[in-house]
Amino acid sequence: EVQLVESGGGLVQPGGSLRLSCAASGFTFSSYWMSWVRQAPGKGLEWVANIKQDGSEKYYVDSVKGRFTISRDNAKNSLYLQMNSLRAEDTAVYYCARTKKRGEMDVWGKGTTVTVSS
Amino acid sequence: QSVLTQPPSVSGAPGQRVTISCTGSSSNIGAGYDVHWYQQLPGTAPKLLIYGNSNRPSGVPDRFSGSKSGTSASLAITGLQAEDEADYYCQSYDSRRTVFGGGTKLTVL
Repeated sequence: EVQLVESGGGLVQPGGSLRLSCAASGFTFSSYWMSWVRQAPGKGLEWVANIKQDGSEKYYVDSVKGRFTISRDNAKNSLYLQMNSLRAEDTAVYYCARTKKRGEMDVWGKGTTVTVSS
Repeated sequence: QSVLTQPPSVSGAPGQRVTISCTGSSSNIGAGYDVHWYQQLPGTAPKLLIYGNSNRPSGVPDRFSGSKSGTSASLAITGLQAEDEADYYCQSYDSRRTVFGGGTKLTVL
């Protein structure tokens, strides 16, 4: 079964750091772009970052550039999001998603919740 | 303010047809980038509904269809059912960045 499982969310103080993980199974992870998408409480979807199959290309939404880093370990079938200098506005459910060649995200995890609050 | 503009809400009675618009510009939809659509039921992760403007993934009923013209795209749902009540999002590219519409809440009356 094709599956993505996120982990690593939690409560963190403003200015703190958190590392999210996404474990992939049931497909050849190294063959796909991967993305992180977040959804603040009661709000819409916001793309955060994506990464090419070999990690050679990475793109970020402007609001997280310089603070967040997307990475992957194809040997471990895992995607990561290192989040530093966290702000209250980063509070959201974070989803990882498999991304296909036309840009569509065809497989999503259930999400992990990040709360930034003092 | 989303780069792609969707109506905040639409509604329809069971059996009716509704459409949800996604309006962009010359730097995203109008530049030729594909539009994809997602359905998000309450409390769940988004699900891919339409990809590449008008293609349905396996398992998506043919009541759902997508189209694109110029700087806009549309999602149409025919034979509306209670289970279609959800949030719907369009997605495309803009300046090499992925962008989503603000989302549309569909209410089945």
